[in-house]
Amino acid sequence: NAGVTQTPKFQVLKTGQSMTLQCAQDMNHNSMYWYRQDPGMGLRLIYYSASEGTTDKGEVPNGYNVSRLNKREFSLRLESAAPSQTSVYFCASSARMGQAAGDYGYTFGSGTRLTVV
Amino acid sequence: GENVEQHPSTLSVQEGDSAVIKCTYSDSASNYFPWYKQELGKRPQLIIDIRSNVGEKKDQRIAVTLNKTAKHFSLHITETQPEDSAVYFCAASLMNTGFQKLVFGTGTRLLVSP
Repeated sequence: NAGVTQTPKFQVLKTGQSMTLQCAQDMNHNSMYWYRQDPGMGLRLIYYSASEGTTDKGEVPNGYNVSRLNKREFSLRLESAAPSQTSVYFCASSARMGQAAGDYGYTFGSGTRLTVV
Repeated sequence: GENVEQHPSTLSVQEGDSAVIKCTYSDSASNYFPWYKQELGKRPQLIIDIRSNVGEKKDQRIAVTLNKTAKHFSLHITETQPEDSAVYFCAASLMNTGFQKLVFGTGTRLLVSP
């Protein structure tokens, strides 16, 4: 039982390059999320998927796109990377009420440290 | 939308002392308030959570209190130990059908000195 798996762990991109961050969970969770973490700013929501087949914008969606490939996988794509997208990216998943009685917290992946030069 | 403020940004205590971190939220409809601990270079991990039908919840040395009228909630750590040193995040969300979209505070760096 791996929980939430993110790849890659580290990445350096040049301005304008594109890349996809992968995320997969094996907990049968319905909901998945992408956050970015920057010093002094906490965790900010980029995009989320409440359930398979749906995706919605979060607080900071500009410059990103997402795909909920199936119930397990939720990917984040940077089409044209910019230095402002240098950050640590976390994927997370959560259960719906009734899926896991009493436990609704997020399970986070180990993060992707992205540097755009 | 929801906005969560967290204080203090840094907190230094001596081993054995108590530590208190406070958060306020703006959306009175929010009903789920978790706390996460993040050690250096690691992922955030849930340590305790509280729902709005409960005023206080304890788990060994940690406790969370919620004041819905004032829209604030706090994390209390007693008998602190060096391994409690980490960044702590509060969060708030509305959870009705089970889906939750957490809004996080900006974090508190707790340093426990031996």
